[in-house]
Amino acid sequence: GQQLNQSPQSMFIQEGEDVSMNCTSSSIFNTWLWYKQDPGEGPVLLIALYKAGELTSNGRLTAQFGITRKDSFLNISASIPSDVGIYFCAGHRSNFGNEKLTFGTGTRLTIIP
Amino acid sequence: DGGITQSPKYLFRKEGQNVTLSCEQNLNHDAMYWYRQDPGQGLRLIYYSQIVNDFQKGDIAEGYSVSREKKESFPLTVTSAQKNPTAFYLCASSRTGGGDTQYFGPGTRLTVL
Repeated sequence: GQQLNQSPQSMFIQEGEDVSMNCTSSSIFNTWLWYKQDPGEGPVLLIALYKAGELTSNGRLTAQFGITRKDSFLNISASIPSDVGIYFCAGHRSNFGNEKLTFGTGTRLTIIP
Repeated sequence: DGGITQSPKYLFRKEGQNVTLSCEQNLNHDAMYWYRQDPGQGLRLIYYSQIVNDFQKGDIAEGYSVSREKKESFPLTVTSAQKNPTAFYLCASSRTGGGDTQYFGPGTRLTVL
């Protein structure tokens, strides 16, 4: 099955730094979702985007639905130790029928002491 | 408290044995999903069900079977035909099968000895 291209694959940052990651596709998507997964746990939904150009925040997290509908971006400001984990993007090409959710390959965030 | 539960958290089985993983949700969601995650990788869809008594194969259904006899339950059986069953298994649900946000359970780590 198709997977979304997510970059970077991993990031090593210092506490307090801002983080940016993105997700791209060759197909148009109608919904973009961002999840965070802690080690040994299930992914937790962070932000959902439903409209091209939409910019949505959740605390220190901000995500955008790209104008072309083929990409999405997630930013984390002033990173803290609990931000460590794997961030996945996911998208739906259609809001109807039995279209499945397509997942990105993940961005692993590590905070260097 | 609404949510998705998976049990057990850790499961050990001998090679050649079938094993069933439990997934229950009390969110009144119509659709449920099973994913497999291998170390350092994204999520791959095994099976999904959009309504009771109906389910479809995902991208990697070989060696797995499911049932959906009740709306709140979607058990996954890993059969002896699955050549590499050791993995982290995640269950998810969504309000409907078409484009709705998926919410994940905590996962079950299966180790086949």
